[in-house]
Amino acid sequence: NAGVTQTPKFQVLKTGQSMTLQCAQDMNHEYMSWYRQDPGMGLRLIHYSVGAGITDQGEVPNGYNVSRSTTEDFPLRLLSAAPSQTSVYFCASISRVNTEAFFGQGTRLTVV
Amino acid sequence: AQSVTQLDSQVPVFEEAPVELRCNYSSSVSVYLFWYVQYPNQGLQLLLKYLSGSTLVKGINGFEAEFNKSQTSFHLRKPSVHISDTAEYFCAVSRRDSSYKLIFGSGTRLLVRP
Repeated sequence: NAGVTQTPKFQVLKTGQSMTLQCAQDMNHEYMSWYRQDPGMGLRLIHYSVGAGITDQGEVPNGYNVSRSTTEDFPLRLLSAAPSQTSVYFCASISRVNTEAFFGQGTRLTVV
Repeated sequence: AQSVTQLDSQVPVFEEAPVELRCNYSSSVSVYLFWYVQYPNQGLQLLLKYLSGSTLVKGINGFEAEFNKSQTSFHLRKPSVHISDTAEYFCAVSRRDSSYKLIFGSGTRLLVRP
């Protein structure tokens, strides 16, 4: 049972490039979320999904897009990378039954 | 809207000493409360949670927390820490009707010294 799998683990982008961070879960959870972690700021919610085909914005959605075509996958797209998007990104899958969130190992993104 | 405040950015403590990590929250509606731990270069994992019932909640690795509604607090405690408890600890809150939206505090780094 893999839980939540994020790829890649590390990525360096140039300003203006686009990329997709992948997230997959095998726990059949309806809820999935993307967070970014910056020093001294904890984790901030970027986008979330309450089921396939349903997504919504979190606290810091600008510059990011998401889609949820299947229960398992929840990719995060950076449309035009900016240095302010340098961060560690975490995907989470949340059990609707017991409210526990399961996190991936994170993607460390650097935009130069 | 909900918010979480962790006043202590870092807490140094000697091994086998007790520790308390403070968490205060703000919300106009009923919430669920959580503590997550993050070891270096890893994702977060759940330590414990308060959903309802007894205000004293026990979690993994000997940690416990007490929900205090009047003080809007959810402080994390451990009577005797180990070197392996060195990590970052995050308090989080979600509304009861939208548990998919976790709001995190800024984190407290627990540094256990021998």
